[in-house]
Amino acid sequence: EPEVTQTPSHQVTQMGQEVILRCVPISNHLYFYWYRQILGQKVEFLVSFYNNEISEKSEIFDDQFSVERPDGSNFTLKIRSTKLEDSAMYFCASRKEGPEAFFGQGTRLTVV
Amino acid sequence: KNEVEQSPQNLTAQEGEFITINCSYSVGISALHWLQQHPGGGIVSLFMLSSGKKKHGRLIATINIQEKHSSLHITASHPRDSAVYICAVSSGTDKLIFGTGTRLQVFP
Repeated sequence: EPEVTQTPSHQVTQMGQEVILRCVPISNHLYFYWYRQILGQKVEFLVSFYNNEISEKSEIFDDQFSVERPDGSNFTLKIRSTKLEDSAMYFCASRKEGPEAFFGQGTRLTVV
Repeated sequence: KNEVEQSPQNLTAQEGEFITINCSYSVGISALHWLQQHPGGGIVSLFMLSSGKKKHGRLIATINIQEKHSSLHITASHPRDSAVYICAVSSGTDKLIFGTGTRLQVFP
């Protein structure tokens, strides 16, 4: 069964460093998302991406964040200069035409 | 006020019990999703529904659009059902709006 794959599963980084979280969505999907979940809190929307551009972003998704789909298969989330409060589980999701989204297993980012 | 509210926040049950988790929402929706999150953190989609009722194995999800309410039922609960169950809605734009989740523990 096709699935959304995220790497790495866990990333530890020093404050101020850049991180890139990687996702491989399901191959014939058209809409891509990043969500995050701070420990003990609910999942929050970060950004949606369609047709090679951002279609919507939340107020969390400031200038420190960027997304890219560099080669038609990977979908990346970059955090330019990490802060302690960026520590969270980051989920990638994708969907085809209908509303059903498929989630990756998540990347746990720990900023120290 | 949260746009998606779940109750209860925490639920414990004995194996075999019938379980109900409730979700209320305050926005217009195109679909409602029930998701399961295991201790490792991964999220799995259980149901997506926009009307009526769906059943998959021991899981049943219902939605009442007029009352803006959905329920997830687990029949004959089992310890392996222990997880966080999350209600999320698709509203207007295509992002999902999540509830805070219900932590379920089923004891043998």
